[in-house]
Amino acid sequence: GAVVSQHPSWVICKSGTSVKIECRSLDFQATTMFWYRQFPKQSLMLMATSNEGSKATYEQGVEKDKFLINHASLTLSTLTVTSAHPEDSSFYICSAGGASGRGGYEQYFGPGTRLTVT
Amino acid sequence: AQSVTQLDSHVSVSEGTPVLLRCNYSSSYSPSLFWYVQHPNKGLQLLLKYTSAATLVKGINGFEAEFKKSETSFHLTKPSAHMSDAAEYFCVVSDRAGTALIFGKGTTLSVSS
Repeated sequence: GAVVSQHPSWVICKSGTSVKIECRSLDFQATTMFWYRQFPKQSLMLMATSNEGSKATYEQGVEKDKFLINHASLTLSTLTVTSAHPEDSSFYICSAGGASGRGGYEQYFGPGTRLTVT
Repeated sequence: AQSVTQLDSHVSVSEGTPVLLRCNYSSSYSPSLFWYVQHPNKGLQLLLKYTSAATLVKGINGFEAEFKKSETSFHLTKPSAHMSDAAEYFCVVSDRAGTALIFGKGTTLSVSS
């Protein structure tokens, strides 16, 4: 399968600062990027969906002004957590989706970024 | 709307005994169904997926799952558990290509020696 990377893999930041997480599709044209959040001992919850070159669509309850998503190219999407607070501490996982070589559609997950806000 | 229900939040088995993790789905379309595994503090690993081909799907590490439309189920099985199988397992559904994957709440599998 395709390789999707996330950077950084973990980050600690102070309350009130902003953090940017990158999601790169290394060998795959990701027409759609999905961002998920996973709190400890819970499942993954979809935060937003972004199509390349378009504004992201956010799930209900996710603040679009707090979680800024950019998907400017077929290989890169970024999630910026603005004015982070301790309750934003979580595991953030991206998924890259696009057409596969066999005419189907595939999604590949990144390894995740663990954010701790102190 | 699509959804999945994992019927057990925690399953405990002994090493060498069979594993059964249960999943029921709800979908308005012909769904794609997946099982992912997550070891502690790690990312997700795809075990297997069903995309309207054979109803019995074989995955990695000896796992398999059977799609039963009449029962709207996609249970995960393994004939013989190994200690390394201890992890969190997620049943996942997607209605259509290009849409997000929707995760179940997860089942924690414990394996004792």
